[in-house]
Amino acid sequence: QLQLQESGPGLVKPSETLSLTCTVSGGSISSSSYYWGWIRQPPGKGLEWIGSIYYSGSTYYNPSLKSRVTISVDTSKNQFSLKLSSVTAADTAVYYCARHGYDILTGLTWDFDYWGQGTLVTVSS
Amino acid sequence: SYELTQPPSVSVSPGQTARITCSGDALPKQYAYWYQQKPGQAPVLVIYKDSERPSGIPERFSGSSSGTTVTLTISGVQAEDEADYYCQSADSSGTYGVFGGGTKLTVL
Repeated sequence: QLQLQESGPGLVKPSETLSLTCTVSGGSISSSSYYWGWIRQPPGKGLEWIGSIYYSGSTYYNPSLKSRVTISVDTSKNQFSLKLSSVTAADTAVYYCARHGYDILTGLTWDFDYWGQGTLVTVSS
Repeated sequence: SYELTQPPSVSVSPGQTARITCSGDALPKQYAYWYQQKPGQAPVLVIYKDSERPSGIPERFSGSSSGTTVTLTISGVQAEDEADYYCQSADSSGTYGVFGGGTKLTVL
């Protein structure tokens, strides 16, 4: 059974960089059939896609966050990571990592079928 | 930026049918996906590619598409179906994922 687990600091100071890692177990992050994504949810609000990465390092980002986001992958550790720079209180949210599909003929599919449990990151001094 | 629009809330009595709509300009070109989220839990995929149901999802959950609107239908609603429901799709290029604002389903 595939499992995803987010890890990282739960408290980040304003203007600093938020860093999270997602560890994948029970399957390989190097599968050609999947992208690996980050999604966040501010307290009491809806879901927002942040970006996604393929095992090769190919990335797609939400245009509204693109200038501050970097997603990377470490296939040797079966992990992928999120960095969000210059954070403000508006970046306070539960951050989820999740898997979605990729078809070599049709491209990305947006079926987030496996999710981590989520981790709350609070931006505060 | 591309947006998907959902009603904020839907209320139904147990055993009735709940319909949750989601509208977006790129929906005729891009598949829609639906997620159920209960308090304190990660979202769960309940419909993919407009109308397909993942294994383990009850048959009372179904999806349909017509033009720029997709609909999640829950037939014979049960108390356990009370949750937030999110539609999700992509922009016309297929490379920018977007979620709807979410619909709170209340079972009266």
